[in-house]
Amino acid sequence: DSGVTQTPKHLITATGQRVTLRCSPRSGDLSVYWYQQSLDQGLQFLIQYYNGEERAKGNILERFSAQQFPDLHSELNLSSLELGDSALYFCASSPRPSETQYFGPGTRLLVL
Amino acid sequence: DQQVKQNSPSLSVQEGRISILNCDYTNSMFDYFLWYKKYPAEGPTFLISISSIKDKNEDGRFTVFLNKSAKHLSLHIVPSQPGDSAVYFCAASARETSGSRLTFGEGTQLTVNP
Repeated sequence: DSGVTQTPKHLITATGQRVTLRCSPRSGDLSVYWYQQSLDQGLQFLIQYYNGEERAKGNILERFSAQQFPDLHSELNLSSLELGDSALYFCASSPRPSETQYFGPGTRLLVL
Repeated sequence: DQQVKQNSPSLSVQEGRISILNCDYTNSMFDYFLWYKKYPAEGPTFLISISSIKDKNEDGRFTVFLNKSAKHLSLHIVPSQPGDSAVYFCAASARETSGSRLTFGEGTQLTVNP
């Protein structure tokens, strides 16, 4: 158990819908990262937050957004869902940027 | 552009023998490298890391070697145990220039046979 929690574990929804994935970092970690793992793309970095501020952006679609709240938990919002958004979404956290990232168990999203 | 590559999708070894997993990278700005292990239906678990100022880091049964001139790193597991069977991901970051984002390889499925 890494100490990073993600909810829900599984999510099934329809195309065009919007979902919110939630992540609670390890106690004391200020930095949160989101990654997507799809069958054809592997693990891809989406976005990073540090102490509430966006720090870095990867190949995150405009339909996706994220934020980190004052209590340091983070949410990833996915809207206008498409079949291709079906994937595993992982959250990771680290005490500070550039330190080792510890991953949560992931949320498996299935868009039908 | 695949900046981190693990060319072996799978590796099978006998219990007690050495497992060697390989990883190549192309981005010369990468300065920090990590190995993660992943079981099905779980998130990646951090195993070991190495900074570009070192060429070797050891932690118990796990040793990571870095050859910067060849842009190659490897993970050695000695002795291999059946519980080591998992997918192993190599990851890299360019902390000085691109911050903390990790770039992952495609993974290598390690199977350790009893």
